[in-house]
Amino acid sequence: QSALTQPPSVSGSPGQSVTISCTGTSSDVGKFNYVSWYQRHPGKAPKFMIYDVTKRASGVPDRFSGSKSGNTASLTISGLQAEDEAEYYCCSYAGGYSLIFGGGTKLTVL
Amino acid sequence: QVQLQESGPGLVNPSETLSLTCSVSGYSISSGYYWGWIRQPPGKALEWIGSAFHNGNTNYAPSLRSRVAISIDTSKNLLSLKLNSVTAADTAVYYCARDGRFLEWFFDFWGQGTLVTVSS
Repeated sequence: QSALTQPPSVSGSPGQSVTISCTGTSSDVGKFNYVSWYQRHPGKAPKFMIYDVTKRASGVPDRFSGSKSGNTASLTISGLQAEDEAEYYCCSYAGGYSLIFGGGTKLTVL
Repeated sequence: QVQLQESGPGLVNPSETLSLTCSVSGYSISSGYYWGWIRQPPGKALEWIGSAFHNGNTNYAPSLRSRVAISIDTSKNLLSLKLNSVTAADTAVYYCARDGRFLEWFFDFWGQGTLVTVSS
């Protein structure tokens, strides 16, 4: 099972929208609706953001949304804020009780 | 609020056993949920290592199954990780997290992580 593929970096200006992609295969992202997303600020614990592709975790602003098309899941952040600058990781169930992660995407708010 | 804190040696010699613990507060491990370990080698993706339930059930990543053991001490509300025969490739930040598996497939609470370097 290879890691999911994410772009190393994305950027956007305050107020804009950005989308982070997460590409897997027909054995993980494409097969199961169990994609989750995590936000990690430097030196902090990862924060659970999105689960089951589209559902927001408790307390997560509705500026964050998830979607999936085929083997690619996406995290969209609208109304970008300075505090959104962080690393974002996707994760998918891959069968056989295993979960696989992406390599992470660094979001820079310009 | 569920909180997790990893602890253990930051330096391990090659071929020896890496041992970490994860202290859980704000939730009784014996109340349910699986509890897992995830790691991130420098410059690489996060990697799920394995997860354990308080009754002794465990799931391990196929690539690490032969070298890893995860256990839970309910009396101390503690999760433990042992990874034997380590090499430089096991150098990583190690995280513990609450794992919703079999109900939901995600990790909803994480520790801050601890860096373990494998080197002589």
